[in-house]
Amino acid sequence: RKEVEQDPGPFNVPEGATVAFNCTYSNSASQSFFWYRQDCRKEPKLLMSVYSSGNEDGRFTAQLNRASQYISLLIRDSKLSDSATYLCVVRGFNKFYFGSGTKLNVKP
Amino acid sequence: GAVVSQHPSRVICKSGTSVKIECRSLDFQATTMFWYRQFPKQSLMLMATSNEGSKATYEQGVEKDKFLINHASLTLSTLTVTSAHPEDSSFYICSARDESRAGELFFGEGSRLTVL
Repeated sequence: RKEVEQDPGPFNVPEGATVAFNCTYSNSASQSFFWYRQDCRKEPKLLMSVYSSGNEDGRFTAQLNRASQYISLLIRDSKLSDSATYLCVVRGFNKFYFGSGTKLNVKP
Repeated sequence: GAVVSQHPSRVICKSGTSVKIECRSLDFQATTMFWYRQFPKQSLMLMATSNEGSKATYEQGVEKDKFLINHASLTLSTLTVTSAHPEDSSFYICSARDESRAGELFFGEGSRLTVL
């Protein structure tokens, strides 16, 4: 079983839509959780960390459910510039595990 | 903000040659750096963890004699792809943890290797 699993998508949504991605992880001892964004042929960049109490950054909301071992990312009022691949990242003791990424296409 | 620089960004080489990729943390010291490879439309696959002053830790299935890693200083790790073959063609990305920023992971720009 993979350490981190994500729905690869693609999610095709119109501008202004709300879209949510989920990610599950297998190791209950995982310590930290992140969402990264990767544009085509570019390196991943940190979008936001995910805290136990949930956290929000503008149009982006991240949630963590330790009991069910999943994290989520909600994007409200989607913009064309949100089109990218979103990577779920889970940190173990000294390693970071990446999901395969969920591709989002926001269309006009 | 913190920056990780990777060089070269693109390299084309002949089969059988060796290629060295550098990863530098520009404004922080990194005792640990990570090397990944990424095939088209796939996620990052961790190849090895580079530890400053000691041997790298390789993931299962990654040949240590094929992918030589050297982490000689707190700001530089290198990955050398030895005797490259076409199947080694890939996007290689490094990352480094900034412990002063709660261990946040920063990525290099990636190196696209094409072996002819």
